Amino acid sequence: GNSVTQMEGPVTLSEEAFLTINCTYTATGYPSLFWYVQYPGEGLQLLLKATKADDKGSNKGFEATYRKETTSFHLEKGSVQVSDSAVYFCALAGSTLGRLYFGRGTQLTVWP
Amino acid sequence: SAVISQKPSRDICQRGTSLTIQCQVDSQVTMMFWYRQQPGQSLTLIATANQGSEATYESGFVIDKFPISRPNLTFSTLTVSNMSPEDSSIYLCSVSDRANYGYTFGSGTRLTVV
Repeated sequence: GNSVTQMEGPVTLSEEAFLTINCTYTATGYPSLFWYVQYPGEGLQLLLKATKADDKGSNKGFEATYRKETTSFHLEKGSVQVSDSAVYFCALAGSTLGRLYFGRGTQLTVWP
Repeated sequence: SAVISQKPSRDICQRGTSLTIQCQVDSQVTMMFWYRQQPGQSLTLIATANQGSEATYESGFVIDKFPISRPNLTFSTLTVSNMSPEDSSIYLCSVSDRANYGYTFGSGTRLTVV
């Protein structure tokens, strides 16, 4: 079946530090992979996505590469800002774009 | 991509009562999804709603507690029935957007049961 395993949080970083949030998946077929962000008190926003192996999704300085060989989709940012403080969710969808499967979420706090 | 209007954005309800949450989409979509996000937790799928058929519920969720209507391709409602404090959560609707190969989410309904 489909599932997503996301690194536990919370993650606390100083401004301008490097960020990695690990995400691995189990899936049948050819899934699409997503990172969503949830700012305090707000709904879910799509951060980036990748629909096939070796695709790199990027947005707002964040990047993630769809690695089929390691079944991973790790989120990275070279220099985080205080405004990046939020909860980040890794998610997977099957090839027919049915339901999403979410990881547990990782709380990121960035201090000035 | 599709735009979803979800109402209400928040509510405080008495235990034993029911609340109906509405999602209106600005385009026709085949599948709509209803999720629950308990405090500090990830999103859990409640059910998938297809127009013209009964909703498909995930394990642990039943129609008597979470009845869903899907009268047309742009609208759906989720009712949380006979509420208890354990139902205090954020409820979100979502649709798949095949044109953009992604998903759109409503802004969520923050429910507190007292």
